[in-house]
Amino acid sequence: EAGVAQSPRYKIIEKRQSVAFWCNPISGHATLYWYQQILGQGPKLLIQFQNNGVVDDSQLPKDRFSAERLKGVDSTLKIQPAKLEDSAVYLCASSLKNLLGTGELFFGEGSRLTVL
Amino acid sequence: AQSVAQPEDQVNVAEGNPLTVKCTYSVSGNPYLFWYVQYPNRGLQFLLKYITGDNLVKGSYGFEAEFNKSQTSFHLKKPSALVSDSALYFCAVRDSTSNYQLIWGAGTKLIIKP
Repeated sequence: EAGVAQSPRYKIIEKRQSVAFWCNPISGHATLYWYQQILGQGPKLLIQFQNNGVVDDSQLPKDRFSAERLKGVDSTLKIQPAKLEDSAVYLCASSLKNLLGTGELFFGEGSRLTVL
Repeated sequence: AQSVAQPEDQVNVAEGNPLTVKCTYSVSGNPYLFWYVQYPNRGLQFLLKYITGDNLVKGSYGFEAEFNKSQTSFHLKKPSALVSDSALYFCAVRDSTSNYQLIWGAGTKLIIKP
């Protein structure tokens, strides 16, 4: 089966510019996650969707970050305007069940953002 | 507060030797524990999980992990290391107090030398 697809793999922008990342989860996976992984740290959850509804966005910096999953399939994460500290790898993951159901996560290869 | 600790930033092992990557946790209630591996420029891959049952859990690529409730540990092990096992390993625990999200350790870099 096809894995989680993410694009672009790499993006370099200047601070205050905007950027968007796209994710297509594994077919049939209802739950979709966006994580931010800063070098040397574990992933930090930004937002979790169950179908097209938001389950948890408590750690999403809503003044600059936004995410949507309009049709309950693919998702877009946007940053506007970007700051230097947003330099990180943005990981998308999906799961058949949410973690209440102890489902494991399947990750994409990530989108590496460098903000200059 | 619920947390996960990986006390070693890096572990070096000679090929063919046994390896251990350490993880300790602090959670309320019964822990659901996970190990993931990240190869260079790749996303994380699930290795194994402990939910309940046998304390020794077997996973992908010959890895296993031992759950120790009294020591609140979930160490990752492999009897004989391969150079291809070199990667970044993350331990995670399910947080029952926050939408059952995963709390991640900071990761341990495993280097297997030929």
